[in-house]
Amino acid sequence: ETGVTQTPRHLVMGMTNKKSLKCEQHLGHNAMYWYKQSAKKPLELMFVYSLEERVENNSVPSRFSPECPNSSHLFLHLHTLQPEDSALYLCASSPGVYSNQPQHFGDGTRLSIL
Amino acid sequence: TQLLEQSPQFLSIQEGENLTVYCNSSSVFSSLQWYRQEPGEGPVLLVTVVTGGEVKKLKRLTFQFGDARKDSSLHITAAQPGDTGLYLCAGVGSGYSTLTFGKGTMLLVSP
Repeated sequence: ETGVTQTPRHLVMGMTNKKSLKCEQHLGHNAMYWYKQSAKKPLELMFVYSLEERVENNSVPSRFSPECPNSSHLFLHLHTLQPEDSALYLCASSPGVYSNQPQHFGDGTRLSIL
Repeated sequence: TQLLEQSPQFLSIQEGENLTVYCNSSSVFSSLQWYRQEPGEGPVLLVTVVTGGEVKKLKRLTFQFGDARKDSSLHITAAQPGDTGLYLCAGVGSGYSTLTFGKGTMLLVSP
């Protein structure tokens, strides 16, 4: 069983659709993250949660809405996305929110906006 | 803003060759992490280097952290097709702070 599981692996949606990405970690970690990975760009941190509380929001548009119901689950709700939002969305977890702790990544959701 | 520059951006070599990829910054980091991301998967941590001048070896991979803790290199000896992937470096700040990632070096090793 992989430590961090993301579903779905692939998602194609229109600009007016509403969908959600799901992330689940089985590592007992307290911190969870959402990243966006686009071609030829560094990994962009979107949101950080520590013990279900959002501790960082890196100026992400409101069409992305995170939810962390417990320390094992993280969602990213998507609404009225733009073509430039097409990317690989990665979830990660770490024991705590301090950056010297290694992050464990899921395999991502490949999102395509039509 | 801390930036990490990785070079080269893309490297295509034959099996058995040696290679070095670089990760450079004008900022000092408390430590630096290297990840490998294979096609269709998420990044996986390879190593963390902490002390300036530190050298760590992981089988055929040798990681070095610069004396000033601003740069790092990854050397692969006798590359194999299984080494193919995107190599990412990530700088670690102090205390509570987030990782700073480079854009990565895409390595393709052909049989």
